[in-house]
Amino acid sequence: GAVVSQHPSWVICKSGTSVKIECRSLDFQATTMFWYRQFPKQSLMLMATSNEGSKATYEQGVEKDKFLINHASLTLSTLTVTSAHPEDSSFYICSARDPSGQGNQPQHFGDGTRLSIL
Amino acid sequence: KQEVTQIPAALSVPEGENLVLNCSFTDSAIYNLQWFRQDPGKGLTSLLLIQSSQREQTSGRLNASLDKSSGRSTLYIAASQPGDSATYLCAVGRQAGTALIFGKGTTLSVSS
Repeated sequence: GAVVSQHPSWVICKSGTSVKIECRSLDFQATTMFWYRQFPKQSLMLMATSNEGSKATYEQGVEKDKFLINHASLTLSTLTVTSAHPEDSSFYICSARDPSGQGNQPQHFGDGTRLSIL
Repeated sequence: KQEVTQIPAALSVPEGENLVLNCSFTDSAIYNLQWFRQDPGKGLTSLLLIQSSQREQTSGRLNASLDKSSGRSTLYIAASQPGDSATYLCAVGRQAGTALIFGKGTTLSVSS
């Protein structure tokens, strides 16, 4: 079945560092991918919609200059957290839907990235 | 604005019990509803997907129902096992191919 791969699974870095997270669709082409963030004991909140070949659409309150999204190919979207600070520590997770399937295809999620900023 | 609520927030049951997790949403104009399982520190595993035109879906010991008009869905787990212990998330899709709106989840603990 469709698989979404996310890398890395865990990052610990110093404050001020930029961190790049990759999201790949392994056996299907995804024109759209979604990036979510989850704080402890909270729900997943949509950060942005990544569109292949065009600019990402950010949700209200999400700084586009801080969370850079690039969707350069049909199988890869990247999220770069620039100049990360401790308050950016969270669980980041991406998802994609296989558009070649029927309308009832579920969204497939990566395994997430645990980001810890010291 | 669509809001998704899950009740209860946590649930502890002994092994073998049948149980029901509840999910409600404020806007009945949904495209589909999806139930996920999340283990601690891990990603999401899709359990069941219900299209807006459907009433229920079943997979093994899991049965999910949808009452779109009342804005409710339930996840029924039969004969619970310790391996079922996880957080169960309900999410609704507004349109085909759009992002999902999640509830906060129900954390289930099944004791042996």
